[in-house]
This record gives sequence, C-alpha cells and structure tokens, in this order.
Amino acid sequence: DQQVKQNSPSLSVQEGRISILNCDYTNSMFDYFLWYKKYPAEGPTFLISISSIKDKNEDGRFTVFLNKSAKHLSLHIVPSQPGDSAVYFCAATPHSGAGSYQLTFGKGTKLSVIP
Amino acid sequence: EAGVTQFPSHSVIEKGQTVTLRCDPISGHDNLYWYRRVMGKEIKFLLHFVKESKQDESGMPNNRFLAERTGGTYSTLKVQPAELEDSGVYFCASSQVRLPGTEAFFGQGTRLTVV
Repeated sequence: DQQVKQNSPSLSVQEGRISILNCDYTNSMFDYFLWYKKYPAEGPTFLISISSIKDKNEDGRFTVFLNKSAKHLSLHIVPSQPGDSAVYFCAATPHSGAGSYQLTFGKGTKLSVIP
Repeated sequence: EAGVTQFPSHSVIEKGQTVTLRCDPISGHDNLYWYRRVMGKEIKFLLHFVKESKQDESGMPNNRFLAERTGGTYSTLKVQPAELEDSGVYFCASSQVRLPGTEAFFGQGTRLTVV
C-alpha cells in the first residue's frame, strides 16, 4: 500500500513557465514533508521541506504548499529552467516520532523543461 | 569535503551468488541509512544506523540481507544468496543529526542486477 503517491509519472513545461508537481499521502502520522530532486546516475538531492504546522514554504524559485485536510502537497517552480529537468520525489516522515525518521518516498515525477 | 560514496556503482551477478555493497558516509556523520529503489517503484527505506548500532531495520526485506557498520564508519550491505527481485538501485545516505531528511546526503547509488 503506497502511502505517498505521485500520480503523474511525467510533466513537460516550457522554459519560463510554472511547473507544478503534486503529491498525495495517506498516513496521518506524517507531519514533515520533503522534495528531492534526482538527476540520472546521481543520488537524490534535498530541495525543500515543509512542516505540518505551515501551509507554505518558499526558497527562491521553489515553493511547497501543504493542504493537511486534503493530505496533499505541491511543489511550484517558477520560472522553470532547463536545468530543472530531473525526477522529483516527494517524501514524508513523522517528525516527532521516536523512530529513525525514515523517509517514505513517492515514485517520482519526471520533469522536462523545454527550452 | 567528500560526499557519500558508494561502491561499486554497478554490479551484475547471477542468482544465488553473494554481493556486498559498501557505503562511505560523510566524515563525522553518525547516522547512516540504506534505501532501495526497485525499477518503476518508489525508493524504500531499508535500515538506519546510529554509529555502529542498528536503530531501525524494519525495512529489511528478509534475512538474505545483512547490514553492518563496524566501528561506526563505513557500512556494508550483503545480499546472500541474491534473487532476481533484489535487482534495483541501492542508495546510502548519511546525516550528522537525527532530523527528518534535511541534512541527509545521498550517495550516487549502486545499481544491482541479478540475472
């Protein structure tokens, strides 16, 4: 049973436009959410995160929105650049648990930014 | 500063053979995680070390997988005997503090193919 879902395997966007990547989760224990970016033959790289006490977090061109009632988050990239082309993974973890803060990942969305 | 390093980058073995993957975390990072991504699926947590102790091994698929971190430095993940379904990319990550993901740095992964 997938607890973090990224229903769009791929997304194509024109350079300069907005990219919106979506993520849904089912586990109510998750209260910290992260986005990772991955280029081919490399490991995931942390991009941006958000705690459940917030509904928005912004870092430069990247903004993550969290809708707790809908168990939905989204990553906005604006303006999109060709270098943003990569696979984006949504991940979640229980922040305050006594465990190892293991991350639960979605399957990823491949973003292609067209020049 | 060197990042998380994984060896080998690729491994092709026959079913029934043994393979050992190695991870060298960033120096000084007490926390070390192993994750695996099977083709087309999400990245899944395997286990977490704090120094040389296993903090959480709830993600280990079965007893054919053995992880060690002697001396709290590098870690090895041994698969014995390997099965076809073990094929995938194995990622190692390390962090200095036990916080959700933000400070976790991933290695480039080891692509394991069992034939």
